[in-house]
Amino acid sequence: QKEVEQNSGPLSVPEGAIASLNCTYSDRGSQSFFWYRQYSGKSPELIMFIYSNGDKEDGRFTAQLNKASQYVSLLIRDSQPSDSATYLCAVKRRTALIFGKGTTLSVSS
Amino acid sequence: GAGVSQSPSNKVTEKGKDVELRCDPISGHTALYWYRQSLGQGLEFLIYFQGNSAPDKSGLPSDRFSAERTGGSVSTLTIQRTQQEDSAVYLCASSSPQGASADTEAFFGQGTRLTVV
Repeated sequence: QKEVEQNSGPLSVPEGAIASLNCTYSDRGSQSFFWYRQYSGKSPELIMFIYSNGDKEDGRFTAQLNKASQYVSLLIRDSQPSDSATYLCAVKRRTALIFGKGTTLSVSS
Repeated sequence: GAGVSQSPSNKVTEKGKDVELRCDPISGHTALYWYRQSLGQGLEFLIYFQGNSAPDKSGLPSDRFSAERTGGSVSTLTIQRTQQEDSAVYLCASSSPQGASADTEAFFGQGTRLTVV
C-alpha cells in the first residue's frame, strides 16, 4: 500500500463549479497534512495545511481531515480556469514529507 | 537569496558518468528535502536532513545515490554511474520546523532537469 494515494484524474469541472480532490494515507501516526498545487513545468507551491480533524477554510479553498478514516480532501469553490493544475497531497511522517502522485484538475470556461 | 536555489538548472550527461546537483536552502531553514519527479509523475521522496540529526535516507533508490549537507546549509545530491532511468527533475525543498508536532511550509527550488543519454 502506498503511503499517500490520490486519484490521478484528470478531474474535469466547468468554471464556477466545486472541485473535490481526495487523498488517503496509510501511516495512522501522521500529524500534518498539506495540499500543494503544481502548474505544468513549475515547482509545487503550498495551498493549505491542516493538523486537526474537521474543516479549514481559506478563501475558495477548504481542506477537510478525518484521521479516523485516514482521509484528507480539498474543495475548491467557484473553480476558475486558472485553477487548472496538478494538486499534490502531502503527509508529514516523523521525518519526511511524503507526496501522493497528484490529481490533475482541468477547469473549462 | 530569497528562495531555494538549485544548480545547474539543466544537466545532460552520458550514461555511466557521475553527476552532482546542488541545493542552497533558504537561510535559517534547518530542514532540507530532495525529491525526484519523473515526467508526468508525482514527487518521489529521496532524502531528508533536519539540523544535526541523522538524515532519513529511506527514499534513496539505490546505492548509486548519496547526499550530504555541509554546515547545515548547502546540500549536494550525487548520482554515480548514471543510468537512463535516472532522467528526471530533481527538486530540493527547505522548511523551518517549529517543534515536534508542528510543521511549516516546504519551499521548493526550481529543480534540476537531468537527462542521461
